[in-house]
Amino acid sequence: DAGITQSPRHKVTETGTPVTLRCHQTENHRYMYWYRQDPGHGLRLIHYSYGVKDTDKGEVSDGYSVSRSKTEDFLLTLESATSSQTSVYFCAISGGSGGSDTQYFGPGTRLTVL
Amino acid sequence: KQEVTQIPAALSVPEGENLVLNCSFTDSAIYNLQWFRQDPGKGLTSLLLIQSSQREQTSGRLNASLDKSSGRSTLYIAASQPGDSATYLCALWDSNYQLIWGAGTKLIIKP
Repeated sequence: DAGITQSPRHKVTETGTPVTLRCHQTENHRYMYWYRQDPGHGLRLIHYSYGVKDTDKGEVSDGYSVSRSKTEDFLLTLESATSSQTSVYFCAISGGSGGSDTQYFGPGTRLTVL
Repeated sequence: KQEVTQIPAALSVPEGENLVLNCSFTDSAIYNLQWFRQDPGKGLTSLLLIQSSQREQTSGRLNASLDKSSGRSTLYIAASQPGDSATYLCALWDSNYQLIWGAGTKLIIKP
């Protein structure tokens, strides 16, 4: 298994509070991704990174920000959590040209916003 | 806009059968295609990656094929086992290097 960890694994928070999820990799892959997975919507890309300090928006980026100050860490921040952001969040990594190599996923973070 | 469809949405077969899962896409201008499995409450596990220049890839009892001209990929599972029960997802990289996901096929293998 690829070396990807996510923390925390579970979190319950209240509406309006900021939340930061962390993804850590030990594979030295260039590309890192944040997805959310919801019933009826499947996997949706939030943000991705193609290098240190290089990030871009995905399909559902509103209300989320990211930062990548080191190759191994990719942080996802919910600036002011809302109930619609209750979801399972997955981090993924990949290498290759343009990131189109095998994509490996972390174990996920289950976030509940009350 | 690229669309990925997986049919059927659910499939139940007896143990030991060979089976095929289907993945179709609307735009043949793709890069690589990847098959994953997801167990309930778990993350996604990569099964096979087919590069755009390849026709198929094999790993153990799994064989994935890719036909870009017909917009189709199949995942063949030989001699199915109860441990193969999971949701199987296909995803492909479009021309913008974004992964486009199918909704998945939920597979149940009955002992």
